[in-house]
Amino acid sequence: QITLKESGPTLVKPTQTLTLTCTFSGFSLSTSRVGVGWIRQPPGKALEWLALIYGHDFRYYSPSLESRLTITKDTSKNQVVLMLTNMDPVDTATYYCAHRDTSDSNYFDPWGQGTLVTVSS
Amino acid sequence: EIVLTQSPATLSLSPGERATLSCRASQSVGNYLAWYQQKPGQAPRLLIYGTSNRATGIPARFSGSGSGTEFTLTISSLEPEDFAVYHCHQRSNWPITFGQGTRLEIK
Repeated sequence: QITLKESGPTLVKPTQTLTLTCTFSGFSLSTSRVGVGWIRQPPGKALEWLALIYGHDFRYYSPSLESRLTITKDTSKNQVVLMLTNMDPVDTATYYCAHRDTSDSNYFDPWGQGTLVTVSS
Repeated sequence: EIVLTQSPATLSLSPGERATLSCRASQSVGNYLAWYQQKPGQAPRLLIYGTSNRATGIPARFSGSGSGTEFTLTISSLEPEDFAVYHCHQRSNWPITFGQGTRLEIK
C-alpha cells in the first residue's frame, strides 16, 4: 500500500523560505519510472502543479515558479523535500505531494492528505 | 501552457440522475487526460486516466471519453457519495496543468 504524508510549518512570514517534506512508504524512489510531485491548492481555488522528481533525479518545475522552487529527494529516508523561496500571501494554500509511476497509470496517484500553509506577518 | 476549461462550474443534480462533466483543452492533449474527485477536506483521488481507464477500485458508473481537445466524464447514476468537486488534468505537455474544477452538488 502506497502512502504519502506532508509535513512542515503551518505559518510562514512573507519573504521567508518554505520547506516541506513528503515522507512516503510502499514504494522506492530509486528507479527512473517512479516519481513524486508537489501540487498546491489555494483555498477555494484550482489545483496547481509545482514540481516533480523522478528516481533517476530528473526534475521538472512549473515555469511560473521555477526561479523560487527546489525539489530534492533522500532515497534512504523515503523523503522528498520542496523548498519555495520568498513566500507571499498569495502562496497560502494546501500543499500536496503525490506518487507517479510510469509503469502504472502515470498520473498522480495516490496523494498525501495535504498540509495547509498560511503566509502572514 | 495548455489551459483546461471545465464546464459547467457547478452542476446541480439529484441522486439517480446522470451527470455529464466537460473539459476542454486549449490545444490537443491526445488522450493524456485524467479526472480526479475531491471531497471537502480531502485530497484528490484519481478516477479516470488516459481519457477512459478507470483507476483501481473506481465503480463502473464512472466513465470517461473524448480525445484531442474535448473530454467528458460521465457518472451514469449518481450516488450520494458522488457529490464532490471534479478536476481534469493533462500530462501531454509541460507544464502539466489542471482545470478549475466542476462542483457537483445535490439539487
